[in-house]
Amino acid sequence: GESVGLHLPTLSVQEGDNSIINCAYSNSASDYFIWYKQESGKGPQFIIDIRSNMDKRQGQRVTVLLNKTVKHLSLQIAATQPGDSAVYFCAENMNYGGSQGNLIFGKGTKLSVKP
Amino acid sequence: EPEVTQTPSHQVTQMGQEVILRCVPISNHLYFYWYRQILGQKVEFLVSFYNNEISEKSEIFDDQFSVERPDGSNFTLKIRSTKLEDSAMYFCASSDWTSQETQYFGPGTRLLVL
Repeated sequence: GESVGLHLPTLSVQEGDNSIINCAYSNSASDYFIWYKQESGKGPQFIIDIRSNMDKRQGQRVTVLLNKTVKHLSLQIAATQPGDSAVYFCAENMNYGGSQGNLIFGKGTKLSVKP
Repeated sequence: EPEVTQTPSHQVTQMGQEVILRCVPISNHLYFYWYRQILGQKVEFLVSFYNNEISEKSEIFDDQFSVERPDGSNFTLKIRSTKLEDSAMYFCASSDWTSQETQYFGPGTRLLVL
């Protein structure tokens, strides 16, 4: 079915280490993917996005990798900081057939950064 | 930096009552959305809105729900007769015409139906 899921529900890392958060999607028609960070009591905050015609995209301390062959998405955070502690969601968008492109969210991975 | 704002931050209501959740999208954005997140669950799409009409809606968005853009800045979600299961965080989001899929979210309204 159409779903976006996460391999690891929780991830604990040491401050300064790199973090990798994974996401699997099931709909090969999805053409846009986005990562959000959600801190407690706040709304999802845009981190980085990637279109299906790309394999990799880099931002400030973050990199998103897309493997369309296995329908896998990952978010890499370099030099993880305590402020990175949050729940991270991947979401997919299937903007085709006249759809205005609602986002389909995964369950989320909780990232905890130990000082 | 422009951001989506929502009011109120918290709303407690009795079952059967009407509630209106308010959002002010980012000023130059043209696409507007409502999502909800039941505690501990995924963020779920409710409805998208463009050019003063609903573009798309999910199965959740039944006849109890309605949206409106009453003026040039506000975007509202009305629940006519709230049910216990409507208790959730409700997020408004908006996006612009250059990158419609890149949706920016507000801080949410926590709705509790008693």
